[in-house]
Parts: sequence; C-alpha cells; structure tokens
Amino acid sequence: DTAVSQTPKYLVTQMGNDKSIKCEQNLGHDTMYWYKQDSKKFLKIMFSYNNKELIINETVPNRFSPKSPDKAHLNLHINSLELGDSAVYFCASSQERSDWGTDTQYFGPGTRLTVL
Amino acid sequence: GQNIDQPTEMTATEGAIVQINCTYQTSGFNGLFWYQQHAGEAPTFLSYNVLDGLEEKGRFSSFLSRSKGYSYLLLKELQMKDSASYLCAALDSNYQLIWGAGTKLIIKP
Repeated sequence: DTAVSQTPKYLVTQMGNDKSIKCEQNLGHDTMYWYKQDSKKFLKIMFSYNNKELIINETVPNRFSPKSPDKAHLNLHINSLELGDSAVYFCASSQERSDWGTDTQYFGPGTRLTVL
Repeated sequence: GQNIDQPTEMTATEGAIVQINCTYQTSGFNGLFWYQQHAGEAPTFLSYNVLDGLEEKGRFSSFLSRSKGYSYLLLKELQMKDSASYLCAALDSNYQLIWGAGTKLIIKP
C-alpha cells in the first residue's frame, strides 16, 4: 500500500482557474506538509499542519489554502492560478514532533502542475 | 537567516566513492537529514544524524559535526542507479526542515 498518495499526478489548467490537489497518508502520522519544488529544484515548505496547529510560510500567497477534513488528509486548494504556480507540489507526512527531533518525512509522488 | 549550502552538481565513476558536503546555518538545530531524489520522483529518506560522528548504512554513510555546522554523505561502490539528486535538510529549533537545493550526482561508466 502507498504510504502517502496524491491525486492527480499531472494537472494542466488555464490561468485564472481554481484547482485542488488531494493528499492522503495511511501511516497514522499526526503532521502533514505541502511543498513546492520549482524548476531549480528547491523544496520550499508551504504549510505544515497537525490537529493542533497550522503553520503557514508567510511567503505563500493567500490564493493557496490547505484543507484537512481529517488527520489522514491534507488537500491543497489554489484559487486564480497564475503562470508562476507551475511547479511540482509534494505532500509529506511525519510523526508528531518530539523532543528527539526524529521528524523523518515521507513524501507523496508529487503533482506536476502546469498553468497555461 | 537560515541557509543550507551544498554543491550543485558532482560527477563520479561507477564503482568509485563520492562525498557530498553540506554546511548549514539554522536557528537552533535538531538534526540533519539526507534524502535521495531521482528525476521526476519524490524524495526518499536516506539518513538522520543528530549526534556528532559517522552513521553507516550499507554503501551509504552520513557524518555530522555540530560545532562546524557540517555534514557529508559518503557513497561507496557507486552504481548507475545512484545517479540522482541528494538533498541535505536541517531541522531547526521549531522542528521545521530547512532544505538545500540538492546536489545532482552524475555517475559515469
């Protein structure tokens, strides 16, 4: 079974549209994340979320919003898509942060978003 | 600010040994991770170091020096399938992972 899954794997859409990417993890983890990987391969954290706290990277436009219907899901909604949103978006999950800091993250396969 | 530095690209020969270096500056430190990412795929976990010293795991080893803000990933007996990007990431005091841009490793026959 896939530990962290994302759908769709590829998404091609027009500027101005609203789209969602779904993420599910079956690892029983408490914390989930969304990353954006641009053409230069930097992985940039967008959000981290557990049942207690949503942490938002302040550089993320408010057109992006995470929605978590339950602990196993963290979906990414994007409004009014722009050309610069084209990238690969990765979902990840980890056990709840502990003092030992063993925060190994497990990644989904990624969603390649192309905005035309 | 927080920063991770690693070389952009390295080339090595099949069967040889390669060392990928990483230096970090973070607000607090709770450990350092190495991930492998093949082109078009998600990153996969390789190692985690929080104490100084060398951790060996098969052909791969990872080293950490907290006082120097330095880590390296050592790959032995290189195989063609090791061609990938290797991402260094440091866990800061807020338990956020700060990622480097990755080192693209090219293996030649």
